[in-house]
Amino acid sequence: AQSVTQPDIHITVSEGASLELRCNYSYGATPYLFWYVQSPGQGLQLLLKYFSGDTLVQGIKGFEAEFKRSQSSFNLRKPSVHWSDAAEYFCAVGAAGYSTLTFGKGTMLLVSP
Amino acid sequence: DVKVTQSSRYLVKRTGEKVFLECVQDMDHENMFWYRQDPGLGLRLIYFSYDVKMKEKGDIPEGYSVSREKKERFSLILESASTNQTSMYLCASSFFFGTSAGELFFGEGSRLTVL
Repeated sequence: AQSVTQPDIHITVSEGASLELRCNYSYGATPYLFWYVQSPGQGLQLLLKYFSGDTLVQGIKGFEAEFKRSQSSFNLRKPSVHWSDAAEYFCAVGAAGYSTLTFGKGTMLLVSP
Repeated sequence: DVKVTQSSRYLVKRTGEKVFLECVQDMDHENMFWYRQDPGLGLRLIYFSYDVKMKEKGDIPEGYSVSREKKERFSLILESASTNQTSMYLCASSFFFGTSAGELFFGEGSRLTVL
């Protein structure tokens, strides 16, 4: 069975500082990996995805993530955080031939002035 | 622009009532999903459907049923609402095939309170 761990429930970052949100997954084969963002009271929006190929993936809003098979990780990064990035971030794992995704429990990002 | 629309953003119901949550997508997606979101628990899959009239149980189907009579519409039904079903409900859809298979598109959510 697939599983996703986001070790950090909350993270506070100063505006302008760099950000890294951690995600570890458990899956036997090559996974499909996703990062979603949820603003308060809203649905989830896709930031980026990894299916295959280049392990460094660029997404929207200046985010990127790196797939590291040896570490079973897919960490999300941004070089300079903006106050509008404050939201909850979810990592998810899926697989070829399977329609469903398994989500982590989320990391709440707080941005301090 | 792609769109997943959930009929109600906020609902308040009483224990024992039958509740319908409706979801419509305009992307011709084969797959549709209902998730439940609770603080500290993330998103948990209730049911999903990969075709009209087809449904599969997710991780927490107890107390819920679903209906998919048309490709674009997927309904979640609480036959007899209970207070422990107070939650945010998220509908999503995706393609079954192709390069975007697996990528979910979400509605804005329906926050249900059961009194």
